[in-house]
Amino acid sequence: DTGVSQNPRHKITKRGQNVTFRCDPISEHNRLYWYRQTLGQGPEFLTYFQNEAQLEKSRLLSDRFSAERPKGSFSTLEIQRTEQGDSAMYLCASSSSGANVLTFGAGSRLTVL
Amino acid sequence: AQSVTQLDSQVPVFEEAPVELRCNYSSSVSVYLFWYVQYPNQGLQLLLKYLSGSTLVKGINGFEAEFNKSQTSFHLRKPSVHISDTAEYFCAVSDQVGAQKLVFGQGTRLTINP
Repeated sequence: DTGVSQNPRHKITKRGQNVTFRCDPISEHNRLYWYRQTLGQGPEFLTYFQNEAQLEKSRLLSDRFSAERPKGSFSTLEIQRTEQGDSAMYLCASSSSGANVLTFGAGSRLTVL
Repeated sequence: AQSVTQLDSQVPVFEEAPVELRCNYSSSVSVYLFWYVQYPNQGLQLLLKYLSGSTLVKGINGFEAEFNKSQTSFHLRKPSVHISDTAEYFCAVSDQVGAQKLVFGQGTRLTINP
């Protein structure tokens, strides 16, 4: 098992462009989480899935953000019409149901110019 | 609503010295507490967790933490640090045993000087 994989690791884009990040969780984990970490801050919860169902979304997830996990395996996080305030590290994590430990990926760093 | 305060944004210590990283939380319900470490260009790694039972929790790399309900604290300690402990440390709280939604503190950067 290679752990939680995130791609791309770095993305530089211009304001107004759309970006998409992908997360491949640990294969036997049915829960998948997205967090955002801005410079000098701790991670902030964005959303989480159990299998393909999106069970909770943070108020931080504006209508420009959408996350999917169509087959209950990998997940994508899309940001439309990016703004400079979207610049952050986007972290993905996964776990098994009932487990109390999240395994995090290395993150995808977004820079919006 | 839950919140976590890490009282020190940076902690410099000399190698082989003891260290304590402070964490206070607020929650109106049962809490489950975690410490994560983030090395440069790596994902967060779990150091230790408190779910129930003994208030003194031992984790990896020689770290331990003590849950103090009356002081709403969960400070992280190590009796003797190494250069390799240089990293960012995050305290986190959840009100769900499945840890579906962690609330993190702002982090403490631990710098070990030779």
